[in-house]
Amino acid sequence: QQQVKQSPQSLIVQKGGISIINCAYENTAFDYFPWYQQFPGKGPALLIAIRPDVSEKKEGRFTISFNKSAKQFSLHIMDSQPGDSATYFCAASKNSGGSNYKLTFGKGTLLTVNP
Amino acid sequence: DSGVTQTPKHLITATGQRVTLRCSPRSGDLSVYWYQQSLDQGLQFLIQYYNGEERAKGNILERFSAQQFPDLHSELNLSSLELGDSALYFCASSVGPLAGAETQYFGPGTRLLVL
Repeated sequence: QQQVKQSPQSLIVQKGGISIINCAYENTAFDYFPWYQQFPGKGPALLIAIRPDVSEKKEGRFTISFNKSAKQFSLHIMDSQPGDSATYFCAASKNSGGSNYKLTFGKGTLLTVNP
Repeated sequence: DSGVTQTPKHLITATGQRVTLRCSPRSGDLSVYWYQQSLDQGLQFLIQYYNGEERAKGNILERFSAQQFPDLHSELNLSSLELGDSALYFCASSVGPLAGAETQYFGPGTRLLVL
């Protein structure tokens, strides 16, 4: 059972455009939603993360929008650059009450930003 | 560079064989996580160790085992290998035990090819 569904599978954007990647989750107990960026030949690296007590978090050109009622969250990359070309993974986990739960990842989106 | 090291970088072996993947976490990190990344399954959490003890278990096969040593490095043992075990295996580390409360730093991965 895939608990985090990510779309699209691949995305091509022109330089300067906006890249939008969407994720939907099923487990309403999830309370931590990170996005990871992975370049070819490298391991994933944390890009930005959000908790459900806020609807939006912005760090530079990267913004997470979170819709708790719809159980969806998305990554927006403003002014996309060729250097942003990578695979992006959304993830989710539950960490309340002193419990430790695994990070569940979406299947990834391959972003290509054309110059 | 995340500070997490993994060896070897590449591994080619035959079906039925056993291999050991090694991971050294970032200095000061007590948690080590193992992930399997394949094209069809995406990034799958296998197992987590915290300060030498198993903390959380994911989709890890019985043919696979792991341990964390007193110096905090970890090894993932894969036995009776099958063609389907061919994948990228990542190790990640974090400071504490809570998978979703803090950043996980990923190593560069070990690419395993089972022939």
